[in-house]
Amino acid sequence: AQSVTQLGSHVSVSEGALVLLRCNYSSSVPPYLFWYVQYPNQGLQLLLKYTTGATLVKGINGFEAEFKKSETSFHLTKPSAHMSDAAEYFCAVRNTGNQFYFGTGTSLTVIP
Amino acid sequence: DSGVTQTPKHLITATGQRVTLRCSPRSGDLSVYWYQQSLDQGLQFLIQYYNGEERAKGNILERFSAQQFPDLHSELNLSSLELGDSALYFCASSPSGMAEGGYTFGSGTRLTVV
Repeated sequence: AQSVTQLGSHVSVSEGALVLLRCNYSSSVPPYLFWYVQYPNQGLQLLLKYTTGATLVKGINGFEAEFKKSETSFHLTKPSAHMSDAAEYFCAVRNTGNQFYFGTGTSLTVIP
Repeated sequence: DSGVTQTPKHLITATGQRVTLRCSPRSGDLSVYWYQQSLDQGLQFLIQYYNGEERAKGNILERFSAQQFPDLHSELNLSSLELGDSALYFCASSPSGMAEGGYTFGSGTRLTVV
């Protein structure tokens, strides 16, 4: 069975600091992996996705994530945090049966 | 604007009542997915429709039902409502029955049961 674990339900960083949001997954087959962002009172917006090919994936708003099969991880990073990055971030894995499994989310706070 | 439209944005109703949530998918998308988001359960997949047919079922209660109409909009019906049904209900869409590229989400309907 597939599952997603997001380490740290709350992460705080200073403006301009590195953002690192952790995601580990379990999957019996090569997964499709996604990061979504949810701003207050809004729906989830796709940040980036890994399907096949290059393991370092670049997304919108300067975010990127690296698929590491050996570590079953898909951590999300951004070199320099902006105030506008404050939101809830969700990691998700899709299996070959088109079932999506979402993590419980990480709330990112950016401190001025 | 994601292109996925959900109405209403907010709904307050009493226990035991029935409500209908509506979703119009992004233009050209054939699949509609319904999710429930609550603080204690996170994002839970409820059901998927593809081109009018039920494609996949998740943790959907028997009191809940959905359908997708010929114009591809979808409705989620929630009946005999309980306090625990209070949540955000999201609709998402994808071009085909297999969302390899992920979903496009609507902005949700916040249901409060009192």
